[in-house]
Amino acid sequence: AQSVTQPDIHITVSEGASLELRCNYSYGATPYLFWYVQSPGQGLQLLLKYFSGDTLVQGIKGFEAEFKRSQSSFNLRKPSVHWSDAAEYFCAVVQYGNKLVFGAGTILRVKS
Amino acid sequence: EAQVTQNPRYLITVTGKKLTVTCSQNMNHEYMSWYRQDPGLGLRQIYYSMNVEVTDKGDVPEGYKVSRKEKRNFPLILESPSPNQTSLYFCASATGVHQPQHFGDGTRLSIL
Repeated sequence: AQSVTQPDIHITVSEGASLELRCNYSYGATPYLFWYVQSPGQGLQLLLKYFSGDTLVQGIKGFEAEFKRSQSSFNLRKPSVHWSDAAEYFCAVVQYGNKLVFGAGTILRVKS
Repeated sequence: EAQVTQNPRYLITVTGKKLTVTCSQNMNHEYMSWYRQDPGLGLRQIYYSMNVEVTDKGDVPEGYKVSRKEKRNFPLILESPSPNQTSLYFCASATGVHQPQHFGDGTRLSIL
């Protein structure tokens, strides 16, 4: 079965530092990939998506992600983290049979 | 305003007492889906619907039912709730499974 792995459960970074959140997927065909963010007590908001084409995609709030087929990865990056970025981040992939599969999430803490 | 509305937002109930969580979207989306979110497990898809009268199981459908009689509504039914269904539930909609999902604000269910 297809799956999505987010290896880091928690990450803590200093405000202003760069950020990279890892996501690996197992999927045979070209995947449809998403990153979502969830602030405490709220639903999920789309940050960015990859369907095809340019492997570096830009999203909202200054985030970007790079699709690397050879590594089956879709890592999320931000050059300079703000305290308001503290949240939980989910990677997701569309699976066979029209299912959407999420990773377990990475909780980002930002220290001042 | 484009939105997905879930009701109730919070519910505490007892084992075996049938309950329904409603979900309504005003974006004329064809694809709707239910997820449950549990710590360390991310979001897991319960059921999804590609269109009116078309529903299918996600990864964790046991103990749940859904219906899609109208395009805008996709209720989740727990006919005989059990404590292991205590969770945070999200409804989402999209123009299609390969498109970004719009999430509701969530429903926190506690089954005693």
